[in-house]
Amino acid sequence: DTLLTQSPATLSLSPGETATLSCRASQRIGSDLAWYQQNRGQAPRLLIYDASNRVTGVPARFSGSGSETDFTLTISSLEPDDFTTYYCQQRYSWPLTFGGGTTVEI
Amino acid sequence: QVTLKESGPTLVKPTQTVTLTCSFSGFSLDPGRVGVAWIRQTPGKALEWLALIYGDGEKYYSPSLQSRLTITADTSKNHVVLTMTNVGPVDTATYYCAHRRRFGGPEDFFQHWGQGTLVTVSS
Repeated sequence: DTLLTQSPATLSLSPGETATLSCRASQRIGSDLAWYQQNRGQAPRLLIYDASNRVTGVPARFSGSGSETDFTLTISSLEPDDFTTYYCQQRYSWPLTFGGGTTVEI
Repeated sequence: QVTLKESGPTLVKPTQTVTLTCSFSGFSLDPGRVGVAWIRQTPGKALEWLALIYGDGEKYYSPSLQSRLTITADTSKNHVVLTMTNVGPVDTATYYCAHRRRFGGPEDFFQHWGQGTLVTVSS
């Protein structure tokens, strides 16, 4: 299985600051990685696919980068709705796996 | 517009079998191309992919749960069913179904999800 390790588990920031979230894969996965945002009580929402492509309608302050084993989600100029939990997911190999999540809190 | 909705029991006793149904609209299961997955999320937050089925019956399972899972599709009714046997308290989770379309783009991940259904395993 491809293990995805997200860090940090919790990120404490203020509105207007920049959040940098990390996702590390236990093996090379090319660019087959996505980032999701999940608000409490809701299903995850796809933000970034193929490591760096924003889904239509996702604000430009969300950006993804990285390849193979090291990936980053950057959220610039944090807005109040951005303070929630984020997950990465790989589709490179079966079984599909998710990271453990990073919570961005105020 | 792609929509999915999960249904099933909210409370199940240990050792029982639970059957969850995903009803979807806005797409058709396509052999080898369009499928539906089941993903769960425990109260401790972790997301876990469970199984996926494509329109031609091609199936994939989480190796750790494969012996307890069966995924089937009824293409005429636009339903995908997940059966999990011998459940225990650790299976208490919100169960989601999600759409996947192969061969690139955002839909090759999980762009469309159902609202989820909470299943509690308790005696």
